[in-house]
Amino acid sequence: ETGVTQSPTHLIKTRGQQVTLRCSSQSGHNTVSWYQQALGQGPQFIFQYYREEENGRGNFPPRFSGLQFPNYSSELNVNALELDDSALYLCASSSLRTNTGELFFGEGSRLTVL
Amino acid sequence: LAKTTQPISMDSYEGQEVNITCSHNNIATNDYITWYQQFPSQGPRFIIQGYKTKVTNEVASLFIPADRKSSTLSLPRVSLSDTAVYYCLVGKRGHDKIIFGKGTRLHILP
Repeated sequence: ETGVTQSPTHLIKTRGQQVTLRCSSQSGHNTVSWYQQALGQGPQFIFQYYREEENGRGNFPPRFSGLQFPNYSSELNVNALELDDSALYLCASSSLRTNTGELFFGEGSRLTVL
Repeated sequence: LAKTTQPISMDSYEGQEVNITCSHNNIATNDYITWYQQFPSQGPRFIIQGYKTKVTNEVASLFIPADRKSSTLSLPRVSLSDTAVYYCLVGKRGHDKIIFGKGTRLHILP
């Protein structure tokens, strides 16, 4: 069983640039959630995708957008990067068929904005 | 979603039992209590989930009193590798968004 994989693992951007982060969900999981985790803080919910549709969104501006593809992989796009966007971005997959509803996280993509 | 309150940090020693308590006064009837563990530069990992009384698995136990307004994660005989941040979450099973608080930083000393 393949776990959640994210790419790239690390990247550096400058203010105003755009970034795309990618996530492959765990086999059999049709739901993907994205989180932003700043240093020393808990993960903050960005949004969730279920069957290619956004299925809930946290308190993040529209310049944070996403996609889910037919194979359930997902992308997180951030436009007009700001210094405060520097964080670990975590992708988690889940399946409504799982009794616990637990999230399976990837290792994250660490974004540094200069 | 019910808000949770847990200690910011805790220290313990190898071989000890560690209990981390989480307060969730506004827990709803359909809500479950779930704990995650996170090591530095890794995503959180599911530890245990419960609804009431006691749940035990191979890594931890979860104690939930009758009023369900709090819960206690118990880690038996901790080792240095249990040093991590532990998050208590409350919500419906399979609900659409899982919200993390700040968690408890557990530091195990030799």
